[in-house]
Amino acid sequence: TQLLEQSPQFLSIQEGENLTVYCNSSSVFSSLQWYRQEPGEGPVLLVTVVTGGEVKKLKRLTFQFGDARKDSSLHITAAQPGDTGLYLCAGDYGNNRLAFGKGNQVVVIP
Amino acid sequence: IAGITQAPTSQILAAGRRMTLRCTQDMRHNAMYWYRQDLGLGLRLIHYSNTAGTTGKGEVPDGYSVSRANTDDFPLTLASAVPSQTSVYFCASSDSVRGEQFFGPGTRLTVL
Repeated sequence: TQLLEQSPQFLSIQEGENLTVYCNSSSVFSSLQWYRQEPGEGPVLLVTVVTGGEVKKLKRLTFQFGDARKDSSLHITAAQPGDTGLYLCAGDYGNNRLAFGKGNQVVVIP
Repeated sequence: IAGITQAPTSQILAAGRRMTLRCTQDMRHNAMYWYRQDLGLGLRLIHYSNTAGTTGKGEVPDGYSVSRANTDDFPLTLASAVPSQTSVYFCASSDSVRGEQFFGPGTRLTVL
């Protein structure tokens, strides 16, 4: 059962452009995490959002948690080639377990 | 600081053979996890352990077993490997209070 749907699955943009990717669910989560994964490596945590409506910024990355705690978005401003990677969202559904989406593959072309 | 180590890095295995993937963490995290990652299917939880001495089944536990004899180690065993278990396997750990998971570098397993 895929609890989290991420869209778009693949996105290719030019360096300097902005982009937004989405993570949606019909379930409510106590928290939601975003990870970035590069080829041949494990996912690395970027941020955790806990409160409905919460916005967190990490340099050029802005993360927002939906008011109902069912969805989230990641916005990248002035994308750089180093932002290339697979972005995974994960919802905490209790008992220390996470449900992961399939990911947003982002490619930033120099 | 090592974090989480996994061994082996990669392995080619004949179907029917037994295989144990090793995972060790040095962060004294209570909880540990095993995931498999497959193209088009994302990360799926195989087994987890909230604390030493306890384990639980995840989304895709069939064909796999785990043990948690101490805080640091969480081995994953395939009793009799099948080709559908070809995948990249990630071990992770978390401080169960914060819930944020830290991942190892993965083991690429091919079952022929």
